[in-house]
Amino acid sequence: GAVVSQHPSWVICKSGTSVKIECRSLDFQATTMFWYRQFPKQSLMLMATSNEGSKATYEQGVEKDKFLINHASLTLSTLTVTSAHPEDSSFYICSARDAGTGSHRQYFGPGTRLTVT
Amino acid sequence: GENVEQHPSTLSVQEGDSAVIKCTYSDSASNYFPWYKQELGKRPQLIIDIRSNVGEKKDQRIAVTLNKTAKHFSLHITETQPEDSAVYFCAASSGVGSGGGADGLTFGKGTHLIIQP
Repeated sequence: GAVVSQHPSWVICKSGTSVKIECRSLDFQATTMFWYRQFPKQSLMLMATSNEGSKATYEQGVEKDKFLINHASLTLSTLTVTSAHPEDSSFYICSARDAGTGSHRQYFGPGTRLTVT
Repeated sequence: GENVEQHPSTLSVQEGDSAVIKCTYSDSASNYFPWYKQELGKRPQLIIDIRSNVGEKKDQRIAVTLNKTAKHFSLHITETQPEDSAVYFCAASSGVGSGGGADGLTFGKGTHLIIQP
């Protein structure tokens, strides 16, 4: 149980284009999902908290107009990187909390490797 | 906001010996402390977690201790095996964000654990 999927697993796009990443909780409902970014050989940094049915909460320094988050259902959150640039190349990982258990545990997706050329 | 420090950045131990990784946190409101293992290019995997109302938790070869007064927590791995080689991250969360919703994780910088045969 508690499986989180992400799609795509990797994507290459040209500078200036937009890329959408999907995060799905497969066997549980998640009122809250989180988006993290991880640069090579670095730690995970929280970008934003995605709340079902309401606006996302962004961490300081993360541009909300550049990283658009939509959490339209209890099992799906999407992150759109708009007007991507090479410095946005990174490993994007989502996580989700099981709304049914009330547990603090976060279950991570497999990540999406974004390369902007 | 929360700040999590993790030491050491690299730890090399002989197979069969024990490994200890230490973390400190700054926010006294933090009450949830998970440890993740991440292999190269893969998702973080939860290996053990502890809530602030517990001082110690053990799961087979893995144990976590928490000292709330000193704001530090440690991961202990006994009888290390080659498959324990990976990057380990500690994290902290208060469980509740500033807006009243769920709170994301603040990660330490990671420890590269190397098990020498």
